[in-house]
Amino acid sequence: GENVEQHPSTLSVQEGDSAVIKCTYSDSASNYFPWYKQELGKRPQLIIDIRSNVGEKKDQRIAVTLNKTAKHFSLHITETQPEDSAVYFCAARRAGNMLTFGGGTRLMVKP
Amino acid sequence: SQTIHQWPATLVQPVGSPLSLECTVEGTSNPNLYWYRQAAGRGLQLLFYSVGIGQISSEVPQNLSASRPQDRQFILSSKKLLLSDSGFYLCAGMGGRGLFFGSGTQLSVL
Repeated sequence: GENVEQHPSTLSVQEGDSAVIKCTYSDSASNYFPWYKQELGKRPQLIIDIRSNVGEKKDQRIAVTLNKTAKHFSLHITETQPEDSAVYFCAARRAGNMLTFGGGTRLMVKP
Repeated sequence: SQTIHQWPATLVQPVGSPLSLECTVEGTSNPNLYWYRQAAGRGLQLLFYSVGIGQISSEVPQNLSASRPQDRQFILSSKKLLLSDSGFYLCAGMGGRGLFFGSGTQLSVL
């Protein structure tokens, strides 16, 4: 089955700096890669996703890149703000299968 | 739009008591439904998933069970809770853009 590794487990940045979270996956047939943001005590919310037919996707301060050859994808947050502080989860899915989540990254943005 | 309704938001139960958490889904028909558990500061552990009425698959051995009596209803149960059952329980459905989650139930077993 699919295995998703996520790094780092915790990340502390200064407000205004960029944050990068990286994930690797094992199943080369995976073709959908979402990212979720979970604030304390809340449900995970989808913030951005990418499919295997594109290499990069951007939505304002958030971008995701995908390297299918290396089987890794990354979340990039620019100009971080205190409200970006949360736990971020990456995930991977093969068509018809379930999502497999990474272990999560706790991002702390210091004002 | 696709929505998961989950209740209660918080629950405190004594060890050995029964449990019943329910979620209902709106905005989609015949969805795949999931129960996840999240220990404090940890990742998402898949407990059960269902592809249709009466169809339940278990991912981890435990004293919990799940049922799907209706297309849009998914129930998580236990006959006797353990301390280790404490956690944040999330019901989720699979939509066109991945999983969408319910608001979660914080269960404390004392």
